[in-house]
Amino acid sequence: GAGVSQSPSNKVTEKGKDVELRCDPISGHTALYWYRQSLGQGLEFLIYFQGNSAPDKSGLPSDRFSAERTGGSVSTLTIQRTQQEDSAVYLCASSLSLMGGQGTDTQYFGPGTRLTVL
Amino acid sequence: GQQVMQIPQYQHVQEGEDFTTYCNSSTTLSNIQWYKQRPGGHPVFLIQLVKSGEVKKQKRLTFQFGEAKKNSSLHITATQTTDVGTYFCAGPEKNFNKFYFGSGTKLNVKP
Repeated sequence: GAGVSQSPSNKVTEKGKDVELRCDPISGHTALYWYRQSLGQGLEFLIYFQGNSAPDKSGLPSDRFSAERTGGSVSTLTIQRTQQEDSAVYLCASSLSLMGGQGTDTQYFGPGTRLTVL
Repeated sequence: GQQVMQIPQYQHVQEGEDFTTYCNSSTTLSNIQWYKQRPGGHPVFLIQLVKSGEVKKQKRLTFQFGEAKKNSSLHITATQTTDVGTYFCAGPEKNFNKFYFGSGTKLNVKP
């Protein structure tokens, strides 16, 4: 596809269950970012990947959150033992290169996954 | 806590009036990017500023990056209803470990 895709688009789960969110970045983009956006709020940075380098996990809200990026392309964000406060839209973005480059770090966002924890 | 703040949080203007949102970071940013998010949509890139004191224009939009690379502003001249949305500033901290989005300014334009 031409843009960043995310799946599922909507996920309703029960408190305590695990969920896995998927992001397919734009082909050729080496950098991939995960954000969380609560209703009417700004974007909360979670984590980013640059190629196959190990990411800095300090932005993840708790140890229930983990993220992987296999093969430098598709990424999954996993939330274990979901809580109601995890309810939000989870946005993924990708850019051609690592942020800070010469105009190549423009982030293109996917449509997001709306997670509702009951 | 929030590292990048924007003011105002909300702005309601009459079509044709000007609009400005201000972005302030607690840390030096390597560059500043601005995004626009329409209601129900996802953020869309507008522009990037890299140099201290840089000013860029896009038609009715003027973007500035502060000398200390800690603040930025977006000014829209003669707003139109198509300008409605939330405007976010964003940027990486100096060592690129984290990327911060501002709290956003929600603009409503009355026709």
